[in-house]
Amino acid sequence: GDSVTQMEGPVTLSEEAFLTINCTYTATGYPSLFWYVQYPGEGLQLLLKATKADDKGSNKGFEATYRKETTSFHLEKGSVQVSDSAVYFCALQGQGAQKLVFGQGTRLTINP
Amino acid sequence: DAGVIQSPRHEVTEMGQEVTLRCKPISGHNSLFWYRQTMMRGLELLIYFNNNVPIDDSGMPEDRFSAKMPNASFSTLKIQPSEPRDSAVYFCASSSRTGINEQFFGPGTRLTVL
Repeated sequence: GDSVTQMEGPVTLSEEAFLTINCTYTATGYPSLFWYVQYPGEGLQLLLKATKADDKGSNKGFEATYRKETTSFHLEKGSVQVSDSAVYFCALQGQGAQKLVFGQGTRLTINP
Repeated sequence: DAGVIQSPRHEVTEMGQEVTLRCKPISGHNSLFWYRQTMMRGLELLIYFNNNVPIDDSGMPEDRFSAKMPNASFSTLKIQPSEPRDSAVYFCASSSRTGINEQFFGPGTRLTVL
């Protein structure tokens, strides 16, 4: 079945550092890919998405590119802020499906 | 606009008691999802509805769990009897079936079963 694998956390960085959170997936066909973010005490919020190969999703300085050849959707940000501290989830939605399949989440802490 | 509304936000109960979690989806959304989040198992889809009809309940852990959606603006997730291993954060999410189905999550209900 479809699955998503994220890099193990937690990840701790200093403010203004470069961020990469790795995400790879297994799916048949052409899934849509998502990054969700969960701030402390809140539900998940969509951060960005990409619906076909080579698409780049971007939002709030975060970017991720849908790479079908490597089945990856790595999240990047050039300069992180303390306010980016949260748990980040990579997810896929199979072609024609409604269900989202989530990775295990990566906890990110940014120190001032 | 109001987002997905869940109640209660926190619930503490004793083993064996019945627990009912409530969800109001975003108006106009016709798909509703119930998730459970734990440290050990991460985020799990329990069940989802389209147009108030349950479509996939394969994630419901056992017969102690049941979910209903009597109308487009309300859903419940019931656990009877509750057990300590049911302690988790339960999220409700809704989406529109048009286009790529972004799911909008509620704030969650933190359930503690003693």
